[in-house]
Amino acid sequence: EAGVVQSPRYKIIEKKQPVAFWCNPISGHNTLYWYLQNLGQGPELLIRYENEEAVDDSQLPKDRFSAERLKGVDSTLKIQPAELGDSAVYLCASSPDGTTDYEQYFGPGTRLTVT
Amino acid sequence: QKEVEQNSGPLSVPEGAIASLNCTYSDRGSQSFFWYRQYSGKSPELIMSIYSNGDKEDGRFTAQLNKASQYVSLLIRDSQPSDSATYLCAVNVGASKIIFGSGTRLSIRP
Repeated sequence: EAGVVQSPRYKIIEKKQPVAFWCNPISGHNTLYWYLQNLGQGPELLIRYENEEAVDDSQLPKDRFSAERLKGVDSTLKIQPAELGDSAVYLCASSPDGTTDYEQYFGPGTRLTVT
Repeated sequence: QKEVEQNSGPLSVPEGAIASLNCTYSDRGSQSFFWYRQYSGKSPELIMSIYSNGDKEDGRFTAQLNKASQYVSLLIRDSQPSDSATYLCAVNVGASKIIFGSGTRLSIRP
């Protein structure tokens, strides 16, 4: 079974530029998460999708961050414009449908460097 | 604010010994608890989940849960150099939402 796929793996941009990250969850997983992880910290939730619906985006900085999950499968996270403080690893995770166990499986992440 | 607390370490353990990692959480309503392993430069990997008080064993790993004390631990028996990583404790705080601790860095010395 293929795992969570993310691209790109690395991205270096200048501040004020836009950037987008893509995620394809494990087949059959209807719940998708985007996390941000800073060095030495645990992942912090940005947004959670149940199918196409964003059910928890309370931690998403909506002035510059946006996300979408069209058709309830792939998802894209965008930052526009990027700031120096956005440098971090952006992780996508997915969770099986029909369970309350909340087990999440992570993709390899995108390491973003804003210069 | 709901929290998950871990000692950041590093925790240094000799090869072959038992490594003990601890985690406390603040939300008394939490029902699901997880341990993730994260190698440097890699993403978190789920290694254990536990939902009931007591012990759960999987190979060299044992997760222990005490809901009354709001305490979760992970024991790694016969520690190997390949166990050197950061271990993240994660706890559910609502429907399909989990929060992570900052992790404990474990180093297994040969």
